[in-house]
Amino acid sequence: EAQVTQNPRYLITVTGKKLTVTCSQNMNHEYMSWYRQDPGLGLRQIYYSMNVEVTDKGDVPEGYKVSRKEKRNFPLILESPSPNQTSLYFCASSYSFPYEQYFGPGTRLTVT
Amino acid sequence: KQEVTQIPAALSVPEGENLVLNCSFTDSAIYNLQWFRQDPGKGLTSLLLIQSSQREQTSGRLNASLDKSSGRSTLYIAASQPGDSATYLCAVPTRNQFYFGTGTSLTVIP
Repeated sequence: EAQVTQNPRYLITVTGKKLTVTCSQNMNHEYMSWYRQDPGLGLRQIYYSMNVEVTDKGDVPEGYKVSRKEKRNFPLILESPSPNQTSLYFCASSYSFPYEQYFGPGTRLTVT
Repeated sequence: KQEVTQIPAALSVPEGENLVLNCSFTDSAIYNLQWFRQDPGKGLTSLLLIQSSQREQTSGRLNASLDKSSGRSTLYIAASQPGDSATYLCAVPTRNQFYFGTGTSLTVIP
């Protein structure tokens, strides 16, 4: 089954404790991206990757890192999480840009 | 930077009614426009993708239109059902990035 998976689905952590949210797709897609969704602000793109080893900043990259060492995986790293990074995070992939996007189920992150 | 607006923010209709959701964007240099559905606490499900060269795209009771020159798209839902209750978002790819509207929260009352 074609899908985008994210782990963990729920995470509660404390300020400053490094964490990684994993994202994997099984569709051999070139384009992958991370979004955060906040009430009243909608989905905003954090980082995107056009292909392996090619990543770029979206509109809200501060406090986040990404890497794309393999085509299927695109982890999101928060080196020192802060409460303002409490949000619902989505990973998405598409065959290439600007083809149809497929979304993961989301990761709800709470930073206390 | 692309700005995407969806009006209204919320809509409540009785079952069986036809309805229109609106999406507007500021930069007409788009490739396509995609409509999604999001159920509470869930991920996004793709509904329709309409290419910039198309004027309409249909899937079942859904019909999306696109007027690139005026920066507008509409999603028409025919004969609404309670199962259509969800948030509907539009997404516009522009210059390697996807820009989303804040969505329209639809409630269909039985």
